[in-house]
Amino acid sequence: KNQVEQSPQSLIILEGKNCTLQCNYTVSPFSNLRWYKQDTGRGPVSLTIMTFSENTKSNGRYTATLDADTKQSSLHITASQLSDSASYICVVRSQGAQKLVFGQGTRLTINP
Amino acid sequence: DAGITQSPRHKVTETGTPVTLRCHQTENHRYMYWYRQDPGHGLRLIHYSYGVKDTDKGEVSDGYSVSRSKTEDFLLTLESATSSQTSVYFCAIRGGENYSNQPQHFGDGTRLSIL
Repeated sequence: KNQVEQSPQSLIILEGKNCTLQCNYTVSPFSNLRWYKQDTGRGPVSLTIMTFSENTKSNGRYTATLDADTKQSSLHITASQLSDSASYICVVRSQGAQKLVFGQGTRLTINP
Repeated sequence: DAGITQSPRHKVTETGTPVTLRCHQTENHRYMYWYRQDPGHGLRLIHYSYGVKDTDKGEVSDGYSVSRSKTEDFLLTLESATSSQTSVYFCAIRGGENYSNQPQHFGDGTRLSIL
């Protein structure tokens, strides 16, 4: 069964600190993996998208990594800001499929 | 932000009534999607469209129907709403060809409560 598991479910850190969110997937055959940020009351917004051949991609203070062999991805946030408080969703697409497989998200809270 | 507007943003209705949610885009994208988001679940696909009058079912399509008579509008209808359909509904759009790596862009959702 195609699944995407994210950890931790929730995380609280102090402003200015770094953090790493994890994503493990069993989707096969793999096409690409995306990370989305979802603010409370808003729709998800794409942060990064990585294909099989890419193992790291950055978007400002967000850096995503992908290990297609172990089927793991991580999202690293550097020098966190209050505005980083949100849910972060890992999404995997299978080759030849319209359907995306969504993780349940990690709820990140940044405290001053 | 991608030009996606969902309406209404909030709705409360009673069990058994019909409900229609609207998604309007100004990007002229071919692909449009309806999802629901519930606690304890990731976003789940209800229906999607790959062109005017071309639609297909997602993983949780029972109790829902869709229509797309124009490129810019994708309607989601609950023919007879049930309490289990209380959820937040998101519309998404995507450009590019069939299996493009283009990301989906999401609207800000409709919060639907069925009493």
